[in-house]
Amino acid sequence: NAGVTQTPKFQVLKTGQSMTLQCAQDMNHNSMYWYRQDPGMGLRLIYYSASEGTTDKGEVPNGYNVSRLNKREFSLRLESAAPSQTSVYFCASSGGTGRYSNQPQHFGDGTRLSIL
Amino acid sequence: TQLLEQSPQFLSIQEGENLTVYCNSSSVFSSLQWYRQEPGEGPVLLVTVVTGGEVKKLKRLTFQFGDARKDSSLHITAAQPGDTGLYLCAGPCPMRFGAGTRLTVKP
Repeated sequence: NAGVTQTPKFQVLKTGQSMTLQCAQDMNHNSMYWYRQDPGMGLRLIYYSASEGTTDKGEVPNGYNVSRLNKREFSLRLESAAPSQTSVYFCASSGGTGRYSNQPQHFGDGTRLSIL
Repeated sequence: TQLLEQSPQFLSIQEGENLTVYCNSSSVFSSLQWYRQEPGEGPVLLVTVVTGGEVKKLKRLTFQFGDARKDSSLHITAAQPGDTGLYLCAGPCPMRFGAGTRLTVKP
């Protein structure tokens, strides 16, 4: 069972470069989420999507854009990377709807992104 | 803003010891979740507690939700090296995680 798959696993960028982080889930979940995890700060919600075609901002959306391409895929784009965006990024999916659900979240293994 | 504060931030113990970690907030939550995260992986759900005063057991792990639904605790009995990891609590309104307790169990 693949669950939630994130690509790439590692990436190094220069300041100002752009890139897209990919996420796909095979559990037919409605909701998908993007988080960043920084030391001592836990997971912070960047954006979420309650269903195909809808997206909404989380706690730290500045500098990011997202696309819910279809029910399976939810991508995160950095248009102009900054050193402050160096982090580990996690995608998650849930059978619930929206960010208020208490349904279990299933996480990918993360993308480790360094911006020089 | 509903903050979740976890304590302690770090905990290092010997195999066989018992421990308790805490998740506290000044806000009321409709439910709380506990996740465990191992290095290089994403968090994995351990339990969801919904009712104030609720106690759930998962083998050697005991989870309790406070009567007022503002706090939760995780107690591990006879810890084993396999329990090593980052323990995170999370609330749904909005989806917010605590900073976690990093547990190391030494053989």
